[in-house]
Amino acid sequence: AQKITQTQPGMFVQEKEAVTLDCTYDTSDPSYGLFWYKQPSSGEMIFLIYQGSYDQQNATEGRYSLNFQKARKSANLVISASQLGDSAMYFCAMRQRAGNMLTFGGGTRLMVKP
Amino acid sequence: EAGVAQSPRYKIIEKRQSVAFWCNPISGHATLYWYQQILGQGPKLLIQFQNNGVVDDSQLPKDRFSAERLKGVDSTLKIQPAKLEDSAVYLCASSSSPETQYFGPGTRLLVL
Repeated sequence: AQKITQTQPGMFVQEKEAVTLDCTYDTSDPSYGLFWYKQPSSGEMIFLIYQGSYDQQNATEGRYSLNFQKARKSANLVISASQLGDSAMYFCAMRQRAGNMLTFGGGTRLMVKP
Repeated sequence: EAGVAQSPRYKIIEKRQSVAFWCNPISGHATLYWYQQILGQGPKLLIQFQNNGVVDDSQLPKDRFSAERLKGVDSTLKIQPAKLEDSAVYLCASSSSPETQYFGPGTRLLVL
């Protein structure tokens, strides 16, 4: 069975600094995908970044990058130059090969301090 | 491109009442998902449609929950009768490829 673990329930970061949000996963499928979503207090889930299990390079999208370490089964999100608007819940999720449904971790609440 | 639309945004009902949520996916997206997000947790899949067929409904409490996707576009999720533990945000998502999945704003349900 697939499992996603986010061990940091909450984190603080100073504005303009970089922050890493941890995510580890467990799967027996060789083909899978990893997603990160941002959920502000308004409740919508905003897609940030995607990494496929066969992708050779770490994914990047603007200030977001995914530190993918396949052997360690980790897919940490790095946010560079944090902004006040980055304060939100962040969810890591994994797509199964059998279907495209996502299994989510418990989330990390990020708070950016001015 | 318009995003995933959901309505209503908020709903308050009493236990044992019925409620229905509506979702309109991004145009052209064949796959549609309904997730339930209980406060403080990550979303959990309830049902997945591919066009108008059900791909996975293994986590849908079928004694009280039902969903349909007529004509492979809009979808409706219904709860009848509602229980207190159904209080949650119901998120609809759609995708056109395995690398993407876009969510709607969600419907916040409170069961009293």
